[in-house]
Parts: sequence; C-alpha cells; structure tokens
Amino acid sequence: AQKITQTQPGMFVQEKEAVTLDCTYDTSDPSYGLFWYKQPSSGEMIFLIYQGSYDQQNATEGRYSLNFQKARKSANLVISASQLGDSAMYFCAMRGYGGATNKLIFGTGTLLAVQP
Amino acid sequence: GAVVSQHPSRVICKSGTSVKIECRSLDFQATTMFWYRQFPKQSLMLMATSNEGSKATYEQGVEKDKFLINHASLTLSTLTVTSAHPEDSSFYICSPGLAGSYEQYFGPGTRLTVT
Repeated sequence: AQKITQTQPGMFVQEKEAVTLDCTYDTSDPSYGLFWYKQPSSGEMIFLIYQGSYDQQNATEGRYSLNFQKARKSANLVISASQLGDSAMYFCAMRGYGGATNKLIFGTGTLLAVQP
Repeated sequence: GAVVSQHPSRVICKSGTSVKIECRSLDFQATTMFWYRQFPKQSLMLMATSNEGSKATYEQGVEKDKFLINHASLTLSTLTVTSAHPEDSSFYICSPGLAGSYEQYFGPGTRLTVT
C-alpha cells in the first residue's frame, strides 16, 4: 500500500523568504515517482516538480527544489524567494511503478500563505 | 505542459438528474484517464482509472453504476454522475496519462452542485 503524509495543514512565510513544505511517504514499490502540485483558489492543479526514486540528484525547477531523502522517505518542497502569488494549496503526490495502473495518490495538502 | 480541457466548468443540477462531464486532452493522446473528486478543503481522491477502449477500474467505495466512465478515444473521456444527490456535490478533475511518461497533467476541474 502507498501512503503520502503532509503534516503541515498551514504555513506562513514572509515575502522573499524561503519555505519548506514537508512530505513523507511509504511504499513497497522499488521504483516510484514523487510530485508536487500547486492548487490556487481557482482549483486548477499546477504541476511543479518531479523526483524519480532512482534519480541521483535532487530535482530543481526555477524557485522550486525537492529535498529528496530516500532513506527517510521524505520529499520536501523548498520554495525560495517566496512571492505573493505563491499563496495556494500545495499537494505532495506519489506514483508507484510496480502496479498495473500506476495511479497517483495525494497527501492532504498544505495551505501556504505568503505575507507581504 | 499538456493542454487538458473539461466541460462544463460549473454545473448546477437538481437531485435525481444525471450530469455528464467531458475531459479532452487537446495536444496528446491519453492512453489512461484518471478521475478524481475533491470535497471542500480536502485532498484529491482517485475515483477510477480507465484505459482507452477498456472498462474503468474503480477505487474501493466508488459506485461504478453511479459514476459511469467512458474512455472511447485517446482524446476524450466522460464521467456521468447518474441520479445525482446533494452529497455528490464536489469538484471533479480529470487527469490524462501518457504511456511511457511520468508526466500527469490535470484538467481545470468541474464544480458540481446538486440541489
């Protein structure tokens, strides 16, 4: 069984500061992928960053980076230089590659508020 | 990223009626389609997975006779909520998958309100 855990229901950060959103996971699949999505109030799901379980380096995409610690089963998202437009819900998600459907499951989300 | 459209974006219907939601992948062929439901202030919950031309696989607790999924082509999938009730009011999001790619994009969602 797969499980994604986000323990921070809400986070505050000052504009221009960095913030880390926590995500831990559990899976029995030897190969898997980890995703982060942003969901603003409009409801659309915006893909931010992806980390494969066998990737040697932590993924980075602009101001987003994924702090992947495989032994700890954590995949924290780091947003640098926060902007007001970063205020949104953030979901961590995982897909295991050992099954037939490779479905994507989500954590409960973290609501980020960027303060001016 | 991939372009995915959903129609309608919002729908209000009366209890007992059926509602069809369309999901189109506009610039790629979706071999797999995932349908999610999101209640207010909650996460996305997978309802079902369908492969083009095959019957959908439903998650535990999701009634297959109530939520009819059709994935007749590689660019179109539909979700029909039959005999809708107020508790079916939710945000429904489709997510097409591309074989051989880790990428998974989402439609803009459909907000269903059943009165």
